[in-house]
Amino acid sequence: KAGVTQTPRYLIKTRGQQVTLSCSPISGHRSVSWYQQTPGQGLQFLFEYFSETQRNKGNFPGRFSGRQFSNSRSEMNVSTLELGDSALYLCASSRTDRQRDGYTFGSGTRLTVV
Amino acid sequence: AQSVTQPDIHITVSEGASLELRCNYSYGATPYLFWYVQSPGQGLQLLLKYFSGDTLVQGIKGFEAEFKRSQSSFNLRKPSVHWSDAAEYFCAVASSGNTPLVFGKGTRLSVIA
Repeated sequence: KAGVTQTPRYLIKTRGQQVTLSCSPISGHRSVSWYQQTPGQGLQFLFEYFSETQRNKGNFPGRFSGRQFSNSRSEMNVSTLELGDSALYLCASSRTDRQRDGYTFGSGTRLTVV
Repeated sequence: AQSVTQPDIHITVSEGASLELRCNYSYGATPYLFWYVQSPGQGLQLLLKYFSGDTLVQGIKGFEAEFKRSQSSFNLRKPSVHWSDAAEYFCAVASSGNTPLVFGKGTRLSVIA
């Protein structure tokens, strides 16, 4: 079966612009989580959605937002991009909102802000 | 809040040698524990997980991990490393069923001939 699909794979944006990243979870998975990965901070949790509701939110500024659609696909948006937003953004899906099921990660979107 | 420490930033082992990657967590009760692997330019792949029961957990690709409550550790092991095991390994913890995973900083594994 198809895995978690993230688009686009690579993105270059200019400081001050906004960006939208997309994540299509595995079919039947209802939970989608987003993580930011940088060399300095490692993997940091952004937010989690389950059945279109935000269940958890990490410690990121309001410039970072997300949503989930009825088909479980999710998008995250970053407004007013800063150089420090350059990172690999990973999406992960799970069948339920229970950790015991484990996450399946996508390959990520590499965002570069110049 | 829970936290995860992976003391080794980078480890180099010879192909065929045994491997142990260390992971220590901070949490009062028994957490949910995971090991993930990430190859360059890729996402993370789940190797194994522990919730309860037998403290020795078997995973994919010949990996295993042992939960030691007294040491707050969940170390990953493999008896014989292959060159294809070169990657970055992340230990992660969740305090309950629906809290976000907290990841360690990762250990980069290099394999030499």
